[in-house]
Amino acid sequence: RKEVEQDPGPFNVPEGATVAFNCTYSNSASQSFFWYRQDCRKEPKLLMSVYSSGNEDGRFTAQLNRASQYISLLIRDSKLSDSATYLCVVNRLGDYKLSFGAGTTVTVRA
Amino acid sequence: DAGITQSPRHKVTETGTPVTLRCHQTENHRYMYWYRQDPGHGLRLIHYSYGVKDTDKGEVSDGYSVSRSKTEDFLLTLESATSSQTSVYFCAITKTSGPNTGELFFGEGSRLTVL
Repeated sequence: RKEVEQDPGPFNVPEGATVAFNCTYSNSASQSFFWYRQDCRKEPKLLMSVYSSGNEDGRFTAQLNRASQYISLLIRDSKLSDSATYLCVVNRLGDYKLSFGAGTTVTVRA
Repeated sequence: DAGITQSPRHKVTETGTPVTLRCHQTENHRYMYWYRQDPGHGLRLIHYSYGVKDTDKGEVSDGYSVSRSKTEDFLLTLESATSSQTSVYFCAITKTSGPNTGELFFGEGSRLTVL
């Protein structure tokens, strides 16, 4: 079983729609959680960290559910520029290794 | 801009040949990483370094070696390239004392094709 699993999508949504997707992790010792964004043929970049209480950054909302071992990302009022692959990243405390999911692809259409 | 450059950006080589990829950073950060990215697998850690001459293996280190003789340079070597090493290779750094903040800064990637 992979340490971090994501629905690959693609999620095809119209502009202005809300899209949400999850990421599950297998190691209950995981302590830190993040969402990265990767545009086609580009390097990944940090989108946001995920805190226990949930957090928002503009149109993006991240949630953590430790009991069920998943994190989620919700994008409101989708823009064309939100089209990308979103990578779920998990880290265990004190571990140098970050575990990446394979990514969820979102395509926003006009 | 995290000041990370990778070279070469694209390379086509033949099975059995040695290949070295270079990662150069301009900000003297301690931690550097090499990842490979393949469809369906996400990014997987090959090797990482926590200082000059201090390196350790990641989850997919077989067939790869690294060296870090200067803070700014982290080299990844494929001693004898195989077709299974066709991939996109990303170098990354963390700007803090360790990776626990989760913010990796990546280079633009090196696309390697082994024929």
